[in-house]
Amino acid sequence: EVVLTQSPGTLSLSPGERATLSCRASQSVTSNYLAWYQQKPGQAPRLLIYGASSRPTGIPDRFSGSGSGTDFTLTISRLEPEDFAVYYCQQYGSSSGTFGPGTKVDLK
Amino acid sequence: QVQLVQSGSELKKPGASVKVSCKASGYIFNSYGMNWVRQAPGQGLEWMGWINTDTGNPTYAQGLTGRFVFSSDTSVSTAYLQISSLKPEDTAVYYCARGLGGSRIWGQGTLVTVSS
Repeated sequence: EVVLTQSPGTLSLSPGERATLSCRASQSVTSNYLAWYQQKPGQAPRLLIYGASSRPTGIPDRFSGSGSGTDFTLTISRLEPEDFAVYYCQQYGSSSGTFGPGTKVDLK
Repeated sequence: QVQLVQSGSELKKPGASVKVSCKASGYIFNSYGMNWVRQAPGQGLEWMGWINTDTGNPTYAQGLTGRFVFSSDTSVSTAYLQISSLKPEDTAVYYCARGLGGSRIWGQGTLVTVSS
């Protein structure tokens, strides 16, 4: 089973700053099937990135994903007030779909 | 529009069973699999597995016990999660999400509370 580790656990930043979130896999992620989600309290997760770097329609371009193999990054170029939330990575290769433990981005 | 609508909150006693439904609309149901994800109070997301809605074949996450069963009914475009012999630690919000992963479409979540 692929195990995902996210760092840091918490990221304290101010609006306008750049956020860099890391997701590391215990083995190579099949076909870079790596997604990033944002979750706010009481809401279902929202897909931000799929296939490691593709953005669904409607997701602002301040969100970008990069990486391959075992190391992946989500970058938020300039934090907006609505971006303070918890972010999860998920790998979905090999007929399995494990999530990382999450990174909380909170207000400094 | 494409959406998944889940059944309402449930309060159950330990040892009981529950069946959560996830009704799809706006797309061809058996063209996409369905994930199930749970989130215990204050915790992260846990992938439980998925069902191939075309063949009905389920795949369960490692460590998920036989108390959890995925099923689907293409005639009513609905996927189901049944949990038997409920334990207090099964208390969580259960989500369905379209596809295996990289899911854009999620249900609103169903809170299952297990308490005596």
